[in-house]
Amino acid sequence: SQTIHQWPATLVQPVGSPLSLECTVEGTSNPNLYWYRQAAGRGLQLLFYSVGIGQISSEVPQNLSASRPQDRQFILSSKKLLLSDSGFYLCAWSVQTVHYEQYFGPGTRLTVT
Amino acid sequence: AQTVTQSQPEMSVQEAETVTLSCTYDTSESDYYLFWYKQPPSRQMILVIRQEAYKQQNATENRFSVNFQKAAKSFSLKISDSQLGDAAMYFCAYSPGGSTLGRLYFGRGTQLTVWP
Repeated sequence: SQTIHQWPATLVQPVGSPLSLECTVEGTSNPNLYWYRQAAGRGLQLLFYSVGIGQISSEVPQNLSASRPQDRQFILSSKKLLLSDSGFYLCAWSVQTVHYEQYFGPGTRLTVT
Repeated sequence: AQTVTQSQPEMSVQEAETVTLSCTYDTSESDYYLFWYKQPPSRQMILVIRQEAYKQQNATENRFSVNFQKAAKSFSLKISDSQLGDAAMYFCAYSPGGSTLGRLYFGRGTQLTVWP
């Protein structure tokens, strides 16, 4: 069966510090991968998606970036965090032929102080 | 632009009773998918039910069913025989068809409380 992992589970970082969140998927090959952010009291906002290694598309301009160095690994990064980057970050995957059905990881709670 | 609106920020229901959560969406496309996701206190998003726009029959999954009104662009979720474990934030989501990218557009959610 397929599983999706995210780490760390929680993170507290000062403004201006770098960020690296990791997401890995097991039990499937060549998935679509997604990064979402959930701000307090709001739904999820799609940040990045990837259909293959090295293929990243951005939905929202911001100081975040994403990379996909391996087929089942998706990384969310920032060189300098802002207070507004605080939130709950969720990674998701889907089978390319059933792209509309996404499965989410446990999430990372990021607090920028 | 696709938008998803959930007009009920909070709802409550007595255990074993039925509750309906509302969702409307705006799209100019004819091919799309609609979803209800559940987010319990653990924060992990769990897919509850899916509806394909081309299907006239409303989707059902055990105690969960939807009322899909395509012309009205309405997609409500009915939870029957509510259980304490149903307490969660529920999100309505839309995904356009004809794409391999699976973009999901979410509403702001409805917090469901289940009373014993």
